[in-house]
Amino acid sequence: DTGVSQNPRHKITKRGQNVTFRCDPISEHNRLYWYRQTLGQGPEFLTYFQNEAQLEKSRLLSDRFSAERPKGSFSTLEIQRTEQGDSAMYLCASRPLGLAKGELFFGEGSRLTVL
Amino acid sequence: AQRVTQPEKLLSVFKGAPVELKCNYSYSGSPELFWYVQYSRQRLQLLLRHISRESIKGFTADLNKGETSFHLKKPFAQEEDSAMYYCALSVGDSNYQLIWGAGTKLIIKP
Repeated sequence: DTGVSQNPRHKITKRGQNVTFRCDPISEHNRLYWYRQTLGQGPEFLTYFQNEAQLEKSRLLSDRFSAERPKGSFSTLEIQRTEQGDSAMYLCASRPLGLAKGELFFGEGSRLTVL
Repeated sequence: AQRVTQPEKLLSVFKGAPVELKCNYSYSGSPELFWYVQYSRQRLQLLLRHISRESIKGFTADLNKGETSFHLKKPFAQEEDSAMYYCALSVGDSNYQLIWGAGTKLIIKP
């Protein structure tokens, strides 16, 4: 499968623990996005990378959340001191140069459950 | 404020019946709209975009700026159309921001 890959697919953790998710975009897709989706809602934008540069973060993203994309390839999303409200599906998407802003290729997501 | 509204959380129709999934948007600029679909246990995928004016899997969607709508339609529903459908708005002044509706679950009854 040459699509966007996310790991782990599921993560159960206790409140207060740190978790990290990884996203491997489609090769040569220089734009990478992280979204969060909770039950009954559409995806909610978290952050955006163009190559290795993090160009934007949502104002909704607390300082417990951090994302990186070293070397402009894979990306990681870390959540520190998790809270029950962080329980959600975390989606990664990528897009190559030349496609419209809304034409994203999504991964299957990483589901986080905070107990 | 920029917003996308999908008024129906659930839509259930019989196979062979017409389908219309509603999407209304609020945006003062020039909108670019998309429909995404998520089949059971599969990832979100782009279904169609209004600029291309194409028909995908028998679905079409027309942008109506007067009514600020981008409804998704199919004349004859098939069982394999059962899925979650999301409408999304790309705001022109942003390189990253897609505004998403809450989604409509479409169930096609045999």
